[in-house]
Amino acid sequence: LAKTTQPISMDSYEGQEVNITCSHNNIATNDYITWYQQFPSQGPRFIIQGYKTKVTNEVASLFIPADRKSSTLSLPRVSLSDTAVYYCLVATGMEYGNKLVFGAGTILRVKS
Amino acid sequence: DAGVTQSPTHLIKTRGQQVTLRCSPKSGHDTVSWYQQALGQGPQFIFQYYEEEERQRGNFPDRFSGHQFPNYSSELNVNALLLGDSALYLCASSPFMGEQFFGPGTRLTVL
Repeated sequence: LAKTTQPISMDSYEGQEVNITCSHNNIATNDYITWYQQFPSQGPRFIIQGYKTKVTNEVASLFIPADRKSSTLSLPRVSLSDTAVYYCLVATGMEYGNKLVFGAGTILRVKS
Repeated sequence: DAGVTQSPTHLIKTRGQQVTLRCSPKSGHDTVSWYQQALGQGPQFIFQYYEEEERQRGNFPDRFSGHQFPNYSSELNVNALLLGDSALYLCASSPFMGEQFFGPGTRLTVL
C-alpha cells in the first residue's frame, strides 16, 4: 500500500476554509484516496473518497491533481465541532473494504 | 438502525491476564475488522473476519485471536496481556468489500 504523508497538526478559526494536503508519491493505478475523521474516544468516520480530479459531498471536497501524487481535503467554513484528527488513506480498489492502513493523521484544531 | 456496537466501553486488566472484547456489526454487514489504536497514533489493522473465517491478518502476535459467529458478531481475544496492549480497540463492520463503519471502541488499560 502507498505510504502517505500529511502535516502533524493545523490550526484554524471558525468560519475559515481549511485545506489539508496529503502526499502519496507511490500511489498505484488502482489506488483510491480516502479521508477519515476521528473525534477523541470515537472510531474513525468516512468523509470522502476519490480517484481523480474533484469530488464533493455535503461535508467536504477532495481535490486530486492529474499526477495523483497528492490530494487536498477541503473543509468549507469550519466550526469548533470540526476539531478532530483527519486521516488520509490510499488503498487499491480491491483492498478497499479490507484492511485500512492509517498513518498518524493531521490534528485539526479550530479556535473561536 | 443501530450502528456498530462494542462492549465493554472500558476495561482494566493486569499483566498476564486474558481479555475478550465484543462487537456487533451494523445491520446488513457480514464482515468485521479489528484495529488497535495506541494513544496518539492511527489505528493499526489486527485482522478481519468474513464467513466466520479470518481473511486477513496484520502484524500482530498469536496472542491476538478472534472469532466470528453465525450472526456476524465478533470477539477479539488477547492472551497474556502486556502493558503495551493498552489501547483503544476498534471494530469496523462492512458489507463484503464495502465501506467500513467503525464502532466507538473499547478502551483497554493494562496495569
